[in-house]
Amino acid sequence: NAGVTQTPKFQVLKTGQSMTLQCAQDMNHEYMSWYRQDPGMGLRLIHYSVGAGITDQGEVPNGYNVSRSTTEDFPLRLLSAAPSQTSVYFCASSYGASGGPLNNEQFFGPGTRLTVL
Amino acid sequence: AQSVAQPEDQVNVAEGNPLTVKCTYSVSGNPYLFWYVQYPNRGLQFLLKYITGDNLVKGSYGFEAEFNKSQTSFHLKKPSALVSDSALYFCAVRDTSGGSYIPTFGRGTSLIVHP
Repeated sequence: NAGVTQTPKFQVLKTGQSMTLQCAQDMNHEYMSWYRQDPGMGLRLIHYSVGAGITDQGEVPNGYNVSRSTTEDFPLRLLSAAPSQTSVYFCASSYGASGGPLNNEQFFGPGTRLTVL
Repeated sequence: AQSVAQPEDQVNVAEGNPLTVKCTYSVSGNPYLFWYVQYPNRGLQFLLKYITGDNLVKGSYGFEAEFNKSQTSFHLKKPSALVSDSALYFCAVRDTSGGSYIPTFGRGTSLIVHP
């Protein structure tokens, strides 16, 4: 199993550009989520999904869009990049109700380091 | 609502000494509690979790954590620290009531183990 994969690993954008961060998992996990990590702020939840076709907002959703057309993929779209979106982005997945309470830890991807100029 | 606090930005310990990284939480129902570790330029790795049962939970790399419901704490411990334990540690909580699906993470504690 590849686990959770993220592409690209690094990206530099200009203000106003759009892009999509890719995330895929091969563990048949129901839940997927996107976080951003900033110094001193920990991990903040951007958007999450509890299954294909279902998404919801997290703590900091503004400026980001997501969709979940398949169980495996959960792309994050930056609509019009801003310098405040410079961050490291992590995708994570976990079992949902089907895994029961004993199998609900999250698996994280390696991250995408994004710089917006 | 669920929240978690890691009161220390940094913990320093000498190699061979015991270490403790603190975590307190707030939930409406019963908590699921997690510890993750992040090495430089890597994603987070799961260390251990408390779901139910014994208050002392053992995890990877010799780490353990104690769930204390009265103090709403879940401190991470290790009897003898290694230099290789130096990393960023995150505590996370998920409230079992109120339809919460995704954990909330603390701000992280940087553990530095000195040779």
